[in-house]
Amino acid sequence: EDQVTQSPEALRLQEGESSSLNCSYTVSGLRGLFWYRQDPGKGPEFLFTLYSAGEEKEKERLKATLTKKESFLHITAPKPEDSATYLCAVHDLEGGADGLTFGKGTHLIIQP
Amino acid sequence: KAGVTQTPRYLIKTRGQQVTLSCSPISGHRSVSWYQQTPGQGLQFLFEYFSETQRNKGNFPGRFSGRQFSNSRSEMNVSTLELGDSALYLCASSLEAVGYTFGSGTRLTVV
Repeated sequence: EDQVTQSPEALRLQEGESSSLNCSYTVSGLRGLFWYRQDPGKGPEFLFTLYSAGEEKEKERLKATLTKKESFLHITAPKPEDSATYLCAVHDLEGGADGLTFGKGTHLIIQP
Repeated sequence: KAGVTQTPRYLIKTRGQQVTLSCSPISGHRSVSWYQQTPGQGLQFLFEYFSETQRNKGNFPGRFSGRQFSNSRSEMNVSTLELGDSALYLCASSLEAVGYTFGSGTRLTVV
């Protein structure tokens, strides 16, 4: 059974204070690992897809990295508008369910 | 380019009733999947449709069902509603399972 664990559950940072969010996963075979951002009352907004260990992707202040067992979302010099819940999900190559398995998310607050 | 459209945005239903939610995917996307999001369980996969066929189903009771039409629009139905079905129901469309774009969801409240 696929499992995704995100830590920390919540994180409060000062504006400009860089940090990293962790996503640990267990899958039979990884088809893809996804990062999403979700604002209150809205659907998840796609950020990145990572496919193989060693892969890295960047977008503005965010950088996602992938190893065989975990992924990190690095946030550099965050701004208040980066406040959101960040979700990690995996897509398994094998197994019956073809859907994404999500972690519970990290609720990030950036204080001005 | 229009995104994923879900209707209605909000619904209030009574226990025992049934409900139908609608999802229009991004033009050209043939895969539509549905998820239930609750504070306790997070996002959980319900089912996926591709070219009008259900490809996969998550671990939900038979009260949850869906279908997809020839224009790729999808509906999900929940019969005999229970209080625990209160949730945000999200639809996602995909071109080739390489990236899933979510709609804003339908907030269902069962009273």
